[in-house]
Amino acid sequence: DIVLTQSPATLSVTPGESVSLSCRASQGISTSIHWYQQKSNESPRLLIKYASQSISGIPSRFSGSGSGTDFTLSINRVESEDFSVYYCQQSYSLPLTFGSGTKLEIK
Amino acid sequence: EVQLQQSGPELQRPGASVKLSCKASGYTFTEYYMYWVKQRPKQSLELIGRIDPEDGSTDYVEKFKNKATLTADTSSNTAYMQLSSLTSEDTATYFCARSGYGYGLSFAYWGQGTLVTVSS
Repeated sequence: DIVLTQSPATLSVTPGESVSLSCRASQGISTSIHWYQQKSNESPRLLIKYASQSISGIPSRFSGSGSGTDFTLSINRVESEDFSVYYCQQSYSLPLTFGSGTKLEIK
Repeated sequence: EVQLQQSGPELQRPGASVKLSCKASGYTFTEYYMYWVKQRPKQSLELIGRIDPEDGSTDYVEKFKNKATLTADTSSNTAYMQLSSLTSEDTATYFCARSGYGYGLSFAYWGQGTLVTVSS
């Protein structure tokens, strides 16, 4: 199975800062990575598909990049509603797997 | 509008079985696989498996092969997951999820989740 390692586990930032969250795959997966946001007691929400493709209805401050084994989710000027947990997920091979998550918290 | 409406929370004894439901609306049920995902408290997400509602074929992640059974009822547009021989390790929120058109194997649509608590 492909293992996804997310770092850091927790990121403390001030609203208005820009941040980058990392997801590293245990083997090359091309651009088959997707990013989700999950707020407390809610279902995950798809933010970015296939590393960098935007999703309708998702604010433009969210963007993704990377290919192969290293991927990044960037949030330009974090807003208060962005403080939550972020997961990456690979679809390069079955079984589909998720990373362990990065919690974005208010500093 | 695509919606996935899941059944309510469950409290079950160890050793029991439970059947969860996920009612789909807003699209043709047989055109998309339905996936099931497990999330233990304060943990990440784990794929359990998927079902093709068109023919009922299933794929399971190895660790869930003797734990979960996926079925689908096309007459009611509802997917089901039965969990057997429950233990405390099965205490979790279970989500059904579906991809979007042209989204490959990313999950654009999610149910609200069903919390299963296993306790004596």
